[in-house]
Amino acid sequence: DGGITQSPKYLFRKEGQNVTLSCEQNLNHDAMYWYRQDPGQGLRLIYYSQIVNDFQKGDIAEGYSVSREKKESFPLTVTSAQKNPTAFYLCASAIRDTLYEQYFGPGTRLTVT
Amino acid sequence: GENVEQHPSTLSVQEGDSAVIKCTYSDSASNYFPWYKQELGKGPQLIIDIRSNVGEKKDQRIAVTLNKTAKHFSLHITETQPEDSAVYFCAASNFNKFYFGSGTKLNVKP
Repeated sequence: DGGITQSPKYLFRKEGQNVTLSCEQNLNHDAMYWYRQDPGQGLRLIYYSQIVNDFQKGDIAEGYSVSREKKESFPLTVTSAQKNPTAFYLCASAIRDTLYEQYFGPGTRLTVT
Repeated sequence: GENVEQHPSTLSVQEGDSAVIKCTYSDSASNYFPWYKQELGKGPQLIIDIRSNVGEKKDQRIAVTLNKTAKHFSLHITETQPEDSAVYFCAASNFNKFYFGSGTKLNVKP
């Protein structure tokens, strides 16, 4: 089955620790995105990548880092510098030629205490 | 940057009634407007989209309208069913970035 997988579904960390969220896609999509979702709010863009080895900051990149070494993978690291990391994190991908239809993964709920 | 506003934040309808969700956007360069349905604890799923060169699009019980002059677009769901209950998000895109509304929680009462 083609799709986007995010693991794990639930993640718990202590404050001050870095944590990496996984995102893998087998849709052969060029572009990949990371969003953060907080209760009662829309999705806010953290980082996006349109091609391997290249990525751009979104609207709320502070305290986060990404890498894009492979087309299929776009891991997100939540660093200890992120002041309020507890949230639902969503990964998405899109075909680069259109960069229109985004497909989302199931999400990872990160809780930092 | 783009600013997308979505209303209402919650909507409760009786099964079989219609539901309408409205969004406005600020950037006239936005040219793609998707709608997503998100069920609890899951990622959003694309349910319908419209491009700026089209005024209306239908897919069975779902339709989207776009008014470029007024910079607003709407989602219409007819003959609502309990399984339509979810959070719906609108978005506006100017090719490489998407801006989302804050979501509408739709509750369809049986």
